[in-house]
Amino acid sequence: EPEVTQTPSHQVTQMGQEVILRCVPISNHLYFYWYRQILGQKVEFLVSFYNNEISEKSEIFDDQFSVERPDGSNFTLKIRSTKLEDSAMYFCASSGRGILLHVFYNEQFFGPGTRLTVL
Amino acid sequence: QKEVEQDPGPLSVPEGAIVSLNCTYSNSAFQYFMWYRQYSRKGPELLMYTYSSGNKEDGRFTAQVDKSSKYISLFIRDSQPSDSATYLCAMTSHRSGAGSYQLTFGKGTKLSVIP
Repeated sequence: EPEVTQTPSHQVTQMGQEVILRCVPISNHLYFYWYRQILGQKVEFLVSFYNNEISEKSEIFDDQFSVERPDGSNFTLKIRSTKLEDSAMYFCASSGRGILLHVFYNEQFFGPGTRLTVL
Repeated sequence: QKEVEQDPGPLSVPEGAIVSLNCTYSNSAFQYFMWYRQYSRKGPELLMYTYSSGNKEDGRFTAQVDKSSKYISLFIRDSQPSDSATYLCAMTSHRSGAGSYQLTFGKGTKLSVIP
């Protein structure tokens, strides 16, 4: 069964360093997402991406964050200068071609996450 | 007021019990309501979804939405140890013609089903 994969599973970095989190979405999916979950808190939407551009982004997704689909398979999240408060689990998700209507639902499939620890 | 509220538990029940999980929300624009299950060290996995108000049943699972009260529920009948996981409610509003959508999650309820 196709699945979303993420690497690395755990990333430790020093404050101020740049990190790139990598995701391989399901191959025929068109919509890509990043969410994060700070320990003990809710899963929060960061950004959605379609047709090589950002569709929506949350207030969390500031200038320190960027996303890219560098080739036909990878989807990356870059944090330019990490802060302590960026420590969280980062989930990538992807969904297919369908339109979100009550007669057809376009499920988001989540990867296993990358745990980012900023020291 | 937080957009989606969910009692984080933990909730511990004996095998075979009926489990009731609930979320309340404040944003009346939400129209799609989902329940995700998350096992340890895994990403969330969609369990059920409903559109607008009403009930939906899938095997031992029943999802209910009451939009007038802004309240959603997930019932698990004949609970099994394999149901032990964190259950997250999630919801989203509809943007006409849009293929992508952002999910707003509850905090998740950790459920343990004891054999």
